[in-house]
Amino acid sequence: QVQLVESGGGVVQPGRSLRLSCAASGFTFSSYGMHWVRQAPGKGLEWVATISSDGYTFSYGESVKGRSSISRDNYKEILFLDMSSLTAADTGIYYCAKFAGVPGAWGRGTLVVVSS
Amino acid sequence: DVVMTQSPLSLTVTPGQPASISCRSSQSLVHSDRNTYLQWFHQRPGQSPRRLIYQVSKGDSGVPARFSGSGSGTEFMLRISRVEADDIGVYYCMQSTQWPITFGQGTRLEI
Repeated sequence: QVQLVESGGGVVQPGRSLRLSCAASGFTFSSYGMHWVRQAPGKGLEWVATISSDGYTFSYGESVKGRSSISRDNYKEILFLDMSSLTAADTGIYYCAKFAGVPGAWGRGTLVVVSS
Repeated sequence: DVVMTQSPLSLTVTPGQPASISCRSSQSLVHSDRNTYLQWFHQRPGQSPRRLIYQVSKGDSGVPARFSGSGSGTEFMLRISRVEADDIGVYYCMQSTQWPITFGQGTRLEI
């Protein structure tokens, strides 16, 4: 079955950088655009970034634009999100998600806490 | 940006009774390819979201038939024909017709 497993979260100091990963399995990863969505504690869902199936087209949410980079390795079937200049506002659970095709899928998320 | 407005923001339902959640978009969600990219998700407490409906009315794999979606243009609805205890949590609509992708605020369903 479709599985998405995020990793790379943790406690990071303000101003530092972080790389999140999402290992995919159970579907043809290279055929689908992929997304990162985050959720601040007790809040709703916020779209972060999207990458096309071939990895050449990407879009970013305003809150992370200019300091984030989404990428993918279609051979290893891994999605990445690099974020820099982190602030407390970046604290939350980061999910990778597949919205196209059936079934849709979300990972369990990885928690990022930005704190000194 | 397309603003997604859900209502109500919370509702309490008796098991076995129906429930409906509205989602309105600030702009038409009809894409140039004629599809409408409106999805519904359910997030149980402490869990990640799960997709229920895609393209307005298509049920995702394994989703019970008591969940249905409808609507067009800027007005959409999620209906649960008979609420069960397992349906508690927060429901979100999301549009991916236009960039940026945007979510509704969420509707909390309690039993």
